[in-house]
Amino acid sequence: AQTVTQSQPEMSVQEAETVTLSCTYDTSESDYYLFWYKQPPSRQMILVIRQEAYKQQNATENRFSVNFQKAAKSFSLKISDSQLGDAAMYFCAYRSVGAQKLVFGQGTRLTINP
Amino acid sequence: DVKVTQSSRYLVKRTGEKVFLECVQDMDHENMFWYRQDPGLGLRLIYFSYDVKMKEKGDIPEGYSVSREKKERFSLILESASTNQTSMYLCASLSGGEVDTQYFGPGTRLTVL
Repeated sequence: AQTVTQSQPEMSVQEAETVTLSCTYDTSESDYYLFWYKQPPSRQMILVIRQEAYKQQNATENRFSVNFQKAAKSFSLKISDSQLGDAAMYFCAYRSVGAQKLVFGQGTRLTINP
Repeated sequence: DVKVTQSSRYLVKRTGEKVFLECVQDMDHENMFWYRQDPGLGLRLIYFSYDVKMKEKGDIPEGYSVSREKKERFSLILESASTNQTSMYLCASLSGGEVDTQYFGPGTRLTVL
């Protein structure tokens, strides 16, 4: 079974600076999807970014980018120019190709210091 | 925009009560999910449904059941609530297709006394 590990329960960063959230996963599959979800204090979980394992290019969405290291089974999220609205719980998730369910990590609580 | 709604934001029940958590999505999605979220454990899948009247157990189905009589509605049932079921419950639906993204509801904070 696949597992996802987020080893940083909490992180903090100064506004306008860059922060990187770590995620590692364990799988024997060669093709899969990886996701970062954000859960702000209002609790509605939203998708931040998604990566297909067969794509070598790292995904980016505006200030959010990933560092996908397939051999190391690592999928970190980099947030540039941090804003107060980025404060949230961030979850890394894995999904097998052809499957519907997501496997989530434990989450990282990100605090933005003004 | 996809909308996933849950019947209650906060719920307080007593041990032994039967509890219904309702989830509705408005985008005709085939797949719907129930997760529970606990600090330090992330989200864990309880049950999911891939079609009306079809369901599949997730990782922690014990003590729960589900019902999907209509495509847009997926209910989570706690037959006899216990204190260890105090948690945040999140519903999600899956778009399918190339985008293939799960959309989440706002969550229900359930407290069992």
